[in-house]
Amino acid sequence: SQLAEENPWALSVHEGESVTVNCSYKTSITALQWYRQKSGEGPAQLILIRSNEREKRNGRLRATLDTSSQSSSLSITATRCEDTAVYFCATVRGSALGRLHFGAGTQLIVIP
Amino acid sequence: GPKVLQIPSHQIIDMGQMVTLNCDPVSNHLYFYWYKQILGQQMEFLVNFYNGKVMEKSKLFKDQFSVERPDGSYFTLKIQPTALEDSAVYFCASSLGVSNERLFFGHGTKLSVL
Repeated sequence: SQLAEENPWALSVHEGESVTVNCSYKTSITALQWYRQKSGEGPAQLILIRSNEREKRNGRLRATLDTSSQSSSLSITATRCEDTAVYFCATVRGSALGRLHFGAGTQLIVIP
Repeated sequence: GPKVLQIPSHQIIDMGQMVTLNCDPVSNHLYFYWYKQILGQQMEFLVNFYNGKVMEKSKLFKDQFSVERPDGSYFTLKIQPTALEDSAVYFCASSLGVSNERLFFGHGTKLSVL
């Protein structure tokens, strides 16, 4: 069963616009990570947000976490063409030893 | 930044053959992982490895799968024998520690079993 799920499945924006990807998860977590995967590459971590945190920023990226509704969001401001990628949320449970539970991802296309 | 290298990038083999996927993790990392991604689906955890031992494995890590890192060389995933359903992209990852640590992923090896 899928423990994390992103929505929407896909979206497109014009360069310079802002965009938000959402994630819902099904279990208690110790942390949630957002990854980006460009075509032909492996996932690259963008933000790690722990269960006792509500918001985390990394440059143009901002992640939120709401443990009561078991949801998270990733916002990207001033999008660029190079932001085109699949965005995944991945949950971490307990000590987990690096066992991440990924969603299927949101395909973001940034149009020049 | 730190890089995980995977060799080869694509491997094509006949069903029933053995295959070894190689991973060169980040040099000072201690924990190593394999993930499997079937086209269009989410990435799924297979196994993690520390200090020469498997620490945890998922139901996807079948008896035909094995991992090792002999003498600090490549971290390998061996499948023997392969099956059609093993066709996927296999991602290697490494981390310095565990639990909420950042994982660094390689670019993946696409395995095609014919």
